[in-house]
Amino acid sequence: VLLVESGGGLVQAGGSLRLSCTASGFTFRSHWMSWVRQAPGKGLEWVADINEDGSVKNYVDSVEGRLTISRDNAKDSLYLQMSSLRAEDTAIYYCARHLIGYITFDIWGQGTMVTVSS
Amino acid sequence: SHELTQPPSVSVSPGQTASISCSGDKLGDKYASWYQQKPGQSPVLVIYQNSKRPSGIPERFSGSNSGNTATLTISGTQAMDEADYYCQAWDISAFVFGTGTKVTVL
Repeated sequence: VLLVESGGGLVQAGGSLRLSCTASGFTFRSHWMSWVRQAPGKGLEWVADINEDGSVKNYVDSVEGRLTISRDNAKDSLYLQMSSLRAEDTAIYYCARHLIGYITFDIWGQGTMVTVSS
Repeated sequence: SHELTQPPSVSVSPGQTASISCSGDKLGDKYASWYQQKPGQSPVLVIYQNSKRPSGIPERFSGSNSGNTATLTISGTQAMDEADYYCQAWDISAFVFGTGTKVTVL
C-alpha cells in the first residue's frame, strides 16, 4: 500500500501548480482521499477531500476557490490544482487515504514541498 | 470552526506513562484519532475512533475520549516514542487537527 506525491516546487505568488498522488497496492476507487499540508515547523492542516467517485468535494475555508481537488480512478491518481498561490500556501502537501467507514487517515504519502515566493 | 488544543510539550522518563490531552468543545461527542510524526517523516495513525489501534501499533498506545477531552496514553514509554503527536476530529464536513504535542523521552 503506497501513496506517492509529485509536482511540488518553487512558484511565484499568484502562480499555479498541480500536485499529483499516485496510489498502489489497494483499490483506490473505494476510498475517500484527502490533501493535508504542513507549513515549515508548523502543525498539520487538512486542505480538502473527495469522495470515491469525485462527486463530493470539501475544502478548508482558506483555500476555497483557489485550490481544486480531483481524481482519476482509471489512473489511481489524486490531484490538487493550485492557483492564485500565496506565501501562506508554502508547505509540505501530503495525500492521505481515508480508512473505510471511519473518519480518519490510515495511509499517508511521503509529501511534496510547495514553496511560494513573494 | 472547531479548534483542538494540545499541550506544546510533554516529558516522560523511559518506562513511565505519558498522557497527552486534546481539548475541544464537546469533543467527546465526536470520534478522535491520533497521529505520530517523527522528524522528517510522514504522520502515522496510532489511534482511531477514540481507542482503536491499527494493525502494527504497539499495545502501549491507548486512547480515550469523554466530555471535552480526548487523551492519548503511552504506557511503558520507549525512546522510539519520542515524536510529535496530533489529535484529529471531524466537524461539519471538515477535518480538524490539534495544535500538536512534542513528546520528549528523557
